[in-house]
Amino acid sequence: DSGVTQTPKHLITATGQRVTLRCSPRSGDLSVYWYQQSLDQGLQFLIQYYNGEERAKGNILERFSAQQFPDLHSELNLSSLELGDSALYFCASSASGQGHQPQHFGDGTRLSIL
Amino acid sequence: AQKVTQAQTEISVVEKEDVTLDCVYETRDTTYYLFWYKQPPSGELVFLIRRNSFDEQNEISGRYSWNFQKSTSSFNFTITASQVVDSAVYFCALSVGYGGSQGNLIFGKGTKLSVKP
Repeated sequence: DSGVTQTPKHLITATGQRVTLRCSPRSGDLSVYWYQQSLDQGLQFLIQYYNGEERAKGNILERFSAQQFPDLHSELNLSSLELGDSALYFCASSASGQGHQPQHFGDGTRLSIL
Repeated sequence: AQKVTQAQTEISVVEKEDVTLDCVYETRDTTYYLFWYKQPPSGELVFLIRRNSFDEQNEISGRYSWNFQKSTSSFNFTITASQVVDSAVYFCALSVGYGGSQGNLIFGKGTKLSVKP
């Protein structure tokens, strides 16, 4: 058990809809990362938050947004969903968000767009 | 630009064989970190090891060992006496920077290892 909790585990929805994925980091970790894993793109970094503030952005679409709350949990919002958004979305956390620290991953949320 | 290449897409071995998973990385940074993660069939990503760019000592942990060579920009992973439970997708990843720089991971495409009894 990594200590990172992601909910829900599975999500099935239709094109055009909006969903929210939730992540609770490990106790004491201040930084949260979101990654998308798909068959064609592999594991790709989306966005990073550190202590409530956005720190880095990767290949995140404009239809996607995220935030980190004062209790350090994070939410990833995906809107105007398309078939290509079907993927496994991982949240990871680390203590300070610096490159040398291992990131510990949650079990992921599998998003299926019908 | 940073990049991680895992040229082996799939490897199949018989139990008790040794197997090496290759990882080649590209970065112009002098400070960077390399990681290996395991993704078993259940889907979670499990952290295995981290190395920094200043420490080229090989590391051994039980049946796992890692060989880091800056001269060839490689960070290879060897499993000795493989077991069925080692069946998983293994990812090599790179992170650059320190002291406030972003810490996101750049992943390779992964190598799927199948260990048959």
